[in-house]
Amino acid sequence: EAQVTQNPRYLITVTGKKLTVTCSQNMNHEYMSWYRQDPGLGLRQIYYSMNVEVTDKGDVPEGYKVSRKEKRNFPLILESPSPNQTSLYFCASSGAGGTSTDTQYFGPGTRLTVL
Amino acid sequence: GNSVTQMEGPVTLSEEAFLTINCTYTATGYPSLFWYVQYPGEGLQLLLKATKADDKGSNKGFEATYRKETTSFHLEKGSVQVSDSAVYFCALMESGYSTLTFGKGTMLLVSP
Repeated sequence: EAQVTQNPRYLITVTGKKLTVTCSQNMNHEYMSWYRQDPGLGLRQIYYSMNVEVTDKGDVPEGYKVSRKEKRNFPLILESPSPNQTSLYFCASSGAGGTSTDTQYFGPGTRLTVL
Repeated sequence: GNSVTQMEGPVTLSEEAFLTINCTYTATGYPSLFWYVQYPGEGLQLLLKATKADDKGSNKGFEATYRKETTSFHLEKGSVQVSDSAVYFCALMESGYSTLTFGKGTMLLVSP
């Protein structure tokens, strides 16, 4: 089954404790992206990657890091989480560089709470 | 910059009622337009899309027409079901780019 998986689905942590949210897709997609969803703000892009070793900032990259060492994986790293990073996070992927004719497939989401 | 504006929710309807969720956009070029749906506890799923002016996207009884003259992409369904209860997001993507710009989402609640 074609899918985007994220782990963990739920995480409660404390300020300053480094964490990684994993994202993996099995569709051989070049393009992958991370979004955060906050009430009243919709979804905002954090980082995206057009292919292996190619990443770029989205609209809200501060406090986040990403890496793309393999095509299927795109982990989101919070080196020193803060309470304002409490949010619902979605990973997405699409083929052909994520052009406007391609569908982005979303993972199930990771709900992060930073105390 | 690009932006998407959706009507605020929640939209509360009875089963079999007609649904319209308004969406307007601002973009510098000629974007593709999308409607995504998020069911409770799940990720977003593409509902329908349109890639150029006057295109109509349709799926599962939902439809939306790309209106360049009014910069709109309103979502409609003739007869909603309880199972349509979800949050609906309008989004755009500029041609040649890969970033989706989302509206804030509209919650739809359908009662039996």
